[in-house]
Amino acid sequence: KAGVTQTPRYLIKTRGQQVTLSCSPISGHRSVSWYQQTPGQGLQFLFEYFSETQRNKGNFPGRFSGRQFSNSRSEMNVSTLELGDSALYLCASTEGTGGNANEQFFGPGTRLTVL
Amino acid sequence: AQSVTQLGSHVSVSEGALVLLRCNYSSSVPPYLFWYVQYPNQGLQLLLKYTSAATLVKGINGFEAEFKKSETSFHLTKPSAHMSDAAEYFCAVQAGGSYIPTFGRGTSLIVHP
Repeated sequence: KAGVTQTPRYLIKTRGQQVTLSCSPISGHRSVSWYQQTPGQGLQFLFEYFSETQRNKGNFPGRFSGRQFSNSRSEMNVSTLELGDSALYLCASTEGTGGNANEQFFGPGTRLTVL
Repeated sequence: AQSVTQLGSHVSVSEGALVLLRCNYSSSVPPYLFWYVQYPNQGLQLLLKYTSAATLVKGINGFEAEFKKSETSFHLTKPSAHMSDAAEYFCAVQAGGSYIPTFGRGTSLIVHP
């Protein structure tokens, strides 16, 4: 099976702009989670989508949003970018059912730099 | 509620030495526990997971971890470090019907020749 893919891998934006990141999960996986990783804050959970519905949400402002399509692909959008949004954004997929033992499969991430 | 504490943001060892990365968890119900590894410019990759079948769990690349309920710990070990083990290691806990794991802050493993 192909792994989790994320596009683009690198992105440079300026403050005030918006950005959309894309994630394609492993075939058959219905849950997609997004994380923000920074040196100062570590790995922080943004949100999780399952069958096109947001099932869990982390503690991020409304500028961060996402969606999931019927083929389980997911997009994440950040509006009105701030310097502090510079981070590695990781997407992870899992089957999404059957209990807590399902490992998360991570993509390589999108490195966002806000200037 | 669940939480994870990884003791030591950086651990430095010599090649061939024992690797010990510490993880303590907090969970009000029996947890599932994971160790992930992240190499530079890559996503996280599962090393091993504890699902209550056996307290000593063996993973990839010679790593293993032991679940100790009395100490609420899940420390990661490897008998002999290799240069290629240099990476960031994350411990995670998932419990109580949550679909989202809680990750520790990570420990950077540095291996000296």
